[in-house]
Amino acid sequence: EIVLTQSPGALSLSPGERVTLSCRASQSVPNSQLVWYQQKPGQPPRLLIYGASTRATGIPDRFSGSGSGTDFILTITRLEPEDFAMYYCQQFGRSLTFGGGTKVEIK
Amino acid sequence: EVRLLESGGGLVQPGGSLRLSCVGSGFTFTSFAINWVRQAPGKGLEWVAAVSGSGDGTYYADSLKGRFTVSRDNSKNTLHLQMNSLRVEDTALYYCAKTLRQCKGSSCSYFSLDALDIWGQGTMVTVSS
Repeated sequence: EIVLTQSPGALSLSPGERVTLSCRASQSVPNSQLVWYQQKPGQPPRLLIYGASTRATGIPDRFSGSGSGTDFILTITRLEPEDFAMYYCQQFGRSLTFGGGTKVEIK
Repeated sequence: EVRLLESGGGLVQPGGSLRLSCVGSGFTFTSFAINWVRQAPGKGLEWVAAVSGSGDGTYYADSLKGRFTVSRDNSKNTLHLQMNSLRVEDTALYYCAKTLRQCKGSSCSYFSLDALDIWGQGTMVTVSS
């Protein structure tokens, strides 16, 4: 099983700030098989990024994904109030696993 | 509108069984694999199982094999998750979610794992005595 480790576990930021979230895999993951989701309280996850860097339909361009191999990054260039949420990475190279998540909180 | 709607959750005693259902609408049901993902209260996401578009391919998290069975009835646009020998640690909100990409031809027999673009609202399962 590929284990995904997300860091940091949580961070407090202000609107307008830039944030980078990390997802590290225990084994190499093909870029095509790395995904990012956003989840807000009481809601199901929302697909943000697939194929490591392709934004899903309707996702604003302040969200971007990058990385390869075992290290992947989700970047939000300017935090909007609606971006404060949990973020999860997921791989489906070998079985399907999720990272533990990063909580982005308002400072 | 593409939608998934789960049902069947509830309170069950340890060792009991429960059958969850997921109904899809607004898309060609047979062309998409469906996955089950669960989330324990206050915890992260955990993949449970997946079934291919045709229903021929089923895949499970290693920790759940033997207790959970996923199936689908494409004539009713419905997916089922049969859960047996339930444990307290199975308490969670269970989501069904469709794959982003559709299968084609023979791949509908096995293609099951992908990004998940449409999720239901979930159905809550509580295992407690």
